[in-house]
Amino acid sequence: GAVVSQHPSRVICKSGTSVKIECRSLDFQATTMFWYRQFPKQSLMLMATSNEGSKATYEQGVEKDKFLINHASLTLSTLTVTSAHPEDSSFYICSARDRGRVMNTEAFFGQGTRLTVV
Amino acid sequence: GQQVMQIPQYQHVQEGEDFTTYCNSSTTLSNIQWYKQRPGGHPVFLIQLVKSGEVKKQKRLTFQFGEAKKNSSLHITATQTTDVGTYFCAGTSGTYKYIFGTGTRLKVLA
Repeated sequence: GAVVSQHPSRVICKSGTSVKIECRSLDFQATTMFWYRQFPKQSLMLMATSNEGSKATYEQGVEKDKFLINHASLTLSTLTVTSAHPEDSSFYICSARDRGRVMNTEAFFGQGTRLTVV
Repeated sequence: GQQVMQIPQYQHVQEGEDFTTYCNSSTTLSNIQWYKQRPGGHPVFLIQLVKSGEVKKQKRLTFQFGEAKKNSSLHITATQTTDVGTYFCAGTSGTYKYIFGTGTRLKVLA
């Protein structure tokens, strides 16, 4: 299957600082990437949909000025958590869909980023 | 908005027993996908169902899509310790945006 690389896998930052998370599709072009947030033992909550070359679409309740998403190329999307606070601590996961596949619906997930804000 | 619920939330089974998780959507789905997430890992795609009443099998796993395309199930026959993890369904009503179910966490006791 296709590979999505997410970096970093773990990050600890001080309250008030910003953290950037990268999501790369390594062997395919991704028209659309999705960013999820997962609290311990809970489901994946969709935060935003990122389309190459256009603005991200944020889900209701997600602050777009706090969670900045950039999808500058067909292989890279970034999520920046700005002015992070302890309540932003969570597991963030990206997923991508291959524009070349016929059904174009199977999602490939990155390994996730465990963010801890202290 | 669209909601996708799964039951049960947790299931502990003895190795060799069967296991089933059920997925119910508040809206009609165009297709549904199933994922498995191992503890500490990321979701891994298992299968996609598209047609009403569709049944697909992968070795000991049987996936079913309801006739009304609002529910789905995953059945594992003769569970093994390697089946441990959380199983999520994820459905879409026609866009590329998938809503994940609440998940069922499976523990298999050896």
